[in-house]
Amino acid sequence: QQPVQSPQAVILREGEDAVINCSSSKALYSVHWYRQKHGEAPVFLMILLKGGEQKGHEKISASFNEKKQQSSLYLTASQLSYSGTYFCGRYGGTSYGKLTFGQGTILTVHP
Amino acid sequence: DGGITQSPKYLFRKEGQNVTLSCEQNLNHDAMYWYRQDPGQGLRLIYYSQIVNDFQKGDIAEGYSVSREKKESFPLTVTSAQKNPTAFYLCASRRDRGGYTFGSGTRLTVV
Repeated sequence: QQPVQSPQAVILREGEDAVINCSSSKALYSVHWYRQKHGEAPVFLMILLKGGEQKGHEKISASFNEKKQQSSLYLTASQLSYSGTYFCGRYGGTSYGKLTFGQGTILTVHP
Repeated sequence: DGGITQSPKYLFRKEGQNVTLSCEQNLNHDAMYWYRQDPGQGLRLIYYSQIVNDFQKGDIAEGYSVSREKKESFPLTVTSAQKNPTAFYLCASRRDRGGYTFGSGTRLTVV
């Protein structure tokens, strides 16, 4: 079963902040976050492991709460380049490292 | 530079035809994956492989086949048994405990 992302879409002005949530009904061993521009391949942003750690990439950070089986992606002072679709990927701890992806959140940043 | 190469970029398939999508990586990654992406949807796992001559079915393997004869190569065949093959196909590889690196994708259309 795929993780559920919310919201489905976000529209921002440059400089505004956003939060994207990823919730799983199955156990989370780790969470990946990716950004995909229209017509392109997804690009890896970060991975969060068990332990509730928070990681960052530029002005993008994320948290992981394994008890609640949730992860959140925080985009601060958004830039035009942040526009795209964001996917979380759930890794359940099985072999082969296969991910189950959420349905995606479309982020649009306007000038 | 290391990366994943998918070819062709665009592919047109006639009804009843088998077509093969190429995926080559020079990252020395062991694990490789095939995902399918439909418009406005997330990525769904077709097949994955951890080592040469070994591969596993993903969530939507019906109508697809793969081979892993070399570490660098993981081609996907879309058979005539796949009734709705029109989609964007993404190949990915992963180093141990790292994020996915995706290829640029193949857009398959049935004509």
